[in-house]
This record gives sequence, C-alpha cells and structure tokens, in this order.
Amino acid sequence: QSALTQPPSASGSPGQSVTISCTGSSSDIGGYNYVSWYKQHPGKAPKLMIYDVSERPSGVPDRFSGSKSGNTASLTVSGLQAEDEADYYCSSYAGSNNLIFGGGTKLTVL
Amino acid sequence: QVQLQESGPGLVKPSETLSLTCTVSGGSIRSYYWSWLRQPAGSGLEWIGRIYFTGNTIYNPSLKGRVTMSVDTSKNQFSLKLNSVTAADTAVYYCARGGERWLQFDDWGQGTLVTVSS
Repeated sequence: QSALTQPPSASGSPGQSVTISCTGSSSDIGGYNYVSWYKQHPGKAPKLMIYDVSERPSGVPDRFSGSKSGNTASLTVSGLQAEDEADYYCSSYAGSNNLIFGGGTKLTVL
Repeated sequence: QVQLQESGPGLVKPSETLSLTCTVSGGSIRSYYWSWLRQPAGSGLEWIGRIYFTGNTIYNPSLKGRVTMSVDTSKNQFSLKLNSVTAADTAVYYCARGGERWLQFDDWGQGTLVTVSS
C-alpha cells in the first residue's frame, strides 16, 4: 500500500488560516471515514489532533478542523499561532487491517 | 491519560532480532488497543502492528511476517519483536494507545532510537 501524499511544506502568518491536504485513493481515504491527523514537534512524540476525519480529541483547540472530499482529506488550522509550527502527518485506514501515513507537512508560521 | 515508556537495546546487529517492551502506567492494559509505530530519521511514520490484551494481533503487511507482538497483563506491558533486521529498520520506535478504535493513537511513549549496525 502506497503512502498518502502530503505537500512537504505549508506556511502562513499569525492569525491566518492554512490548509494541509492529504491525498490517497478510493482504497483508503475515499473508502473509509478513518482519517487522523497528528502534530509533531522535533524530537517529540506525535500528538493526535483529529480522528475520524473531523473529530477533535478533548483538549485540542477548535482552531483545528478536519474534512474530506473524495480521496483527499484536509486539515485546516485557523488563527495561526506560533506554537502551531510543527510537522503534521495524516493517516488513513487502508482496508485489510492496514493503516498508512502521509509523508508529513512542515508548517511554518511566518 | 496513561503513560507509556519504551525500553530495549538501542543497537542491534544486522540479521538479528529487535526486541522492545512498552510499560503502561496510570491505567490498565486490559482496555484499548496497543500499537507499535516507527519513524526513520527525517522521514514519516509507519504503523507496525497492534495488539489487544487478549493477545489478538494484526500487523502491517509490508513487514512480511517479520513482526511478533505479545502482551503481559500481569506486568501491564506489551512487546515487539522484529526479526532479520537490516539498516532500513533503523528508526525511532514508539508505542502508543489506541482510542475508540485502534485506528488512531491517543497516547504515545517518548520513543526510543534503535540503530541496526554491526
């Protein structure tokens, strides 16, 4: 199963909104509503930000939102803050008891 | 929120078996699903496999039968064995707790670097 495709980088100024895409296929993102997003600071463990496409775990600010259209999922960060600067990874169930990840997007707050 | 801590050798020789243990504290392992993931330096995440406290396991097909996971409920631990390792298995290995389903990971260990080298 191929990895999901994410842009290597994204950026925005404080207060702006930025959207990170995650493209797969009908066998993964398009076929299931099991997309998750993780935030990772350098040298740290990932942190779950979104699951089941658009659900936020307790404690995650509502500035973070997720959506899906066809074979592409998206993570939108609104009201960008300096602490949002990190690497972001998407994952999706790919059927047959398999879970795949994207290659990651480095978000820079300008 | 549970805490997870990986432990095991940081250096493994090629063709040998990588063995790691994850100790769960602050909660019982007799709930949720438990997974192993890894991340080569400068690269993305890869899911390795998951186990339930009953011992039920599923593994990433890409690892072609090299993976074995086990659980010890008396010690609140679960373990990973990856055999026939090569340099490509060099990575930071994480243990993690699944959420409502095993498909997302709510809590993570800090990660442990395993280097495959002679």
